[in-house]
Amino acid sequence: AQSVSQHNHHVILSEAASLELGCNYSYGGTVNLFWYVQYPGQHLQLLLKYFSGDPLVKGIKGFEAEFIKSKFSFNLRKPSVQWSDTAEYFCAVRGNNRLAFGKGNQVVVIP
Amino acid sequence: EADIYQTPRYLVIGTGKKITLECSQTMGHDKMYWYQQDPGMELHLIHYSYGVNSTEKGDLSSESTVSRIRTEHFPLTLESARPSHTSQYLCASSELGTADTGELFFGEGSRLTVL
Repeated sequence: AQSVSQHNHHVILSEAASLELGCNYSYGGTVNLFWYVQYPGQHLQLLLKYFSGDPLVKGIKGFEAEFIKSKFSFNLRKPSVQWSDTAEYFCAVRGNNRLAFGKGNQVVVIP
Repeated sequence: EADIYQTPRYLVIGTGKKITLECSQTMGHDKMYWYQQDPGMELHLIHYSYGVNSTEKGDLSSESTVSRIRTEHFPLTLESARPSHTSQYLCASSELGTADTGELFFGEGSRLTVL
């Protein structure tokens, strides 16, 4: 079964700083990759996903992620964060019809 | 905006009580799921269903049970709650077959505390 690693569970940064959250997975077959976000008091929602094609995926609110197959990674980036990006971010990997989540990154953006 | 609803949002009960967490979706999705989420931990799949009268155990063993009598409804029941059941329970749904984009639609969660 696949597993997903997210490091640096707590991230604190100032507005306008750049954000990069790492996501590594262990599964050798074909994968679908996702980033979900949970804003305070709200439900988990999809931020972006990769199925095939261009490995650089653009999502909502200026987020993007890059799939690097050789590194088994799907890192999330945003060049300039806003206070409203304060949330918990979860990476998820679907392989062999099984979906696995990482432990999440709690991101706090200070105004 | 996701149309999946969970009740109650918060529940505090004593050991030994029977509880049912409700989950309903209005999107007509065939697939539904229950995840358990603890702070700083992965979401763990405890139950899923591919449609009416279909229920399966997930990756994480759970003493809870589920039923799927109607497409839109997927309740989770604990016959006798214990403190170890304290957690947040997330319900989700998704499309099946050719409409499956891989995206899960989540409810806002039910936070259960067992004293």
